[in-house]
Amino acid sequence: GAGVSQSPSNKVTEKGKDVELRCDPISGHTALYWYRQSLGQGLEFLIYFQGNSAPDKSGLPSDRFSAERTGGSVSTLTIQRTQQEDSAVYLCASSPVLLNYEQYFGPGTRLTVT
Amino acid sequence: SQQGEEDPQALSIQEGENATMNCSYKTSINNLQWYRQNSGRGLVHLILIRSNEREKHSGRLRVTLDTSKKSSSLLITASRAADTASYFCATTSGSRLTFGEGTQLTVNP
Repeated sequence: GAGVSQSPSNKVTEKGKDVELRCDPISGHTALYWYRQSLGQGLEFLIYFQGNSAPDKSGLPSDRFSAERTGGSVSTLTIQRTQQEDSAVYLCASSPVLLNYEQYFGPGTRLTVT
Repeated sequence: SQQGEEDPQALSIQEGENATMNCSYKTSINNLQWYRQNSGRGLVHLILIRSNEREKHSGRLRVTLDTSKKSSSLLITASRAADTASYFCATTSGSRLTFGEGTQLTVNP
């Protein structure tokens, strides 16, 4: 079956512009996660969604970042008024059961803010 | 701060040798997972070990967990050039999965 997909794979934007990153999780996975990875670094947790529960937004670095998950499936991460420090690879993952099982990662979106 | 910290940060070995990577963490965990990442893109799950397990095997991979020392190790036996990648440990505690900063493994042919 299809894995987690993300789009776009690469995004170059000018400082101050808004961007939207999309994640399509594996069908039936109730948990969805967003991470950010700067060059040569580990993964920084941003947000996760579990079913119909309120999302855990505690990892979002500023109020310029927001995410939603529609219909318990597709998720969009929005960054408003992008800054150069937002440049990173944004990774999405989904899981069939919250945290007790492995996470399946998408290929990521490489965001470059010029 | 990162929950998991990998050691070493970088490891370079010859094909056929074994590679050992270590991970330390700070708080109690439900389980610990190891992931592999090629070329800075998506991670691939390798193995999960639960807090009540001490050792687990999967093919050429062997993972140990010592909850008293809050540490885990990943051993890759008979390494291959294709094993070249970054390896991350990730711990689950409560409602969050926390990754370390990874070990960059280079296997030279």
